[in-house]
Amino acid sequence: GAVVSQHPSWVICKSGTSVKIECRSLDFQATTMFWYRQFPKQSLMLMATSNEGSKATYEQGVEKDKFLINHASLTLSTLTVTSAHPEDSSFYICSASGGPYNEQFFGPGTRLTVL
Amino acid sequence: KNQVEQSPQSLIILEGKNCTLQCNYTVSPFSNLRWYKQDTGRGPVSLTIMTFSENTKSNGRYTATLDADTKQSSLHITASQLSDSASYICVVSAGAGSYQLTFGKGTKLSVIP
Repeated sequence: GAVVSQHPSWVICKSGTSVKIECRSLDFQATTMFWYRQFPKQSLMLMATSNEGSKATYEQGVEKDKFLINHASLTLSTLTVTSAHPEDSSFYICSASGGPYNEQFFGPGTRLTVL
Repeated sequence: KNQVEQSPQSLIILEGKNCTLQCNYTVSPFSNLRWYKQDTGRGPVSLTIMTFSENTKSNGRYTATLDADTKQSSLHITASQLSDSASYICVVSAGAGSYQLTFGKGTKLSVIP
């Protein structure tokens, strides 16, 4: 199946710093990528949808100036958490869309801890 | 409002036993239903995907069923293994070609020796 990678797999940062998370589709081109956030014992919550070469579409309640998304190529999307605070600590998962069902293939996730 | 409800919330079974997880949904228009396995601290991995016309689909020891009339799906796991311990998430896609997914909260399965 299609493979999606994320880097880093985990990151610890100080409050007020910015953190960049990369999402790559390794063996297919993804015109659309998605960013999710998952809190403990909760389901995945869609943060934003990004299309290659255009601005991301953010879900209601997600601050676009805080969560910067760049989808510069068909295989790479990045999420930058700016001025991170402890409440931003979460598990961030990306997915890339492809195949006949527009199936979303998920990355392994990035655990962000903000001290 | 589109919703996906899963039951039970958690389940503990002995290794080698079978189990069935349930998913009820109210998503319209319906496109397809997916079951994912999510290990702790990992991203979801697709097990099965079914469209409106499919009643059952298997992937090894995993068999998913879909009743589009009652809007119910089940995931049956046969001869469980310790490695089956994970959260199983039911996800419903709305509309053909739509990226809109509605996620269930998952069933946390623990397989014990």
